[in-house]
Amino acid sequence: ILNVEQSPQSLHVQEGDSTNFTCSFPSSNFYALHWYRWETAKSPEALFVMTLNGDEKKKGRISATLNTKEGYSYLYIKGSQPEDSATYLCASLTGTASKLTFGTGTRLQVTL
Amino acid sequence: DSGVTQTPKHLITATGQRVTLRCSPRSGDLSVYWYQQSLDQGLQFLIQYYNGEERAKGNILERFSAQQFPDLHSELNLSSLELGDSALYFCASSTWDLPNGNTGELFFGEGSRLTVL
Repeated sequence: ILNVEQSPQSLHVQEGDSTNFTCSFPSSNFYALHWYRWETAKSPEALFVMTLNGDEKKKGRISATLNTKEGYSYLYIKGSQPEDSATYLCASLTGTASKLTFGTGTRLQVTL
Repeated sequence: DSGVTQTPKHLITATGQRVTLRCSPRSGDLSVYWYQQSLDQGLQFLIQYYNGEERAKGNILERFSAQQFPDLHSELNLSSLELGDSALYFCASSTWDLPNGNTGELFFGEGSRLTVL
């Protein structure tokens, strides 16, 4: 993996469903993996910053895991609500580039 | 409110012109980042400054330049504008500076939407 890749590109779920997204990133020279939530017409807001292999972080109904050896992170949303509708971005920080590189995001829409 | 201020919020200009976008970082943050978001594309990293020094550079065009001033605010200058420069330009700040081992989250401003006609 040379770039940060996210899947799926978009997702429609019903209220109450649980869902998850994937972020793949370069595993060499890894420093940190960020997740951001970006609502329409607003600016991205940080959800998690993870640095250690095996890290698991949780904020309310949202949680994330990190595997730095294989270069992936999962974001989970339990019991999706309409207010969870947003684009979820992940970003990878690697030492060689010393810059935070974003994926193109997963656009989640939660309907009643 | 992230604490990051960007001006102007909207800007409409013509091809060939030059514009300056301004960013005031969150109080206490020494790092400033500029990102460009064009239609159907993700956030593209342009450049990062830390305490007045350029730290990292992305795919920033030669027509674009930036600087961070002693009071830590930053300006992104875009010159000889082309239609394809129309985009949302985000500034973000953090205490993050990789060489010092700090990898904290970014705080984003609301963006400056540039339209080139």
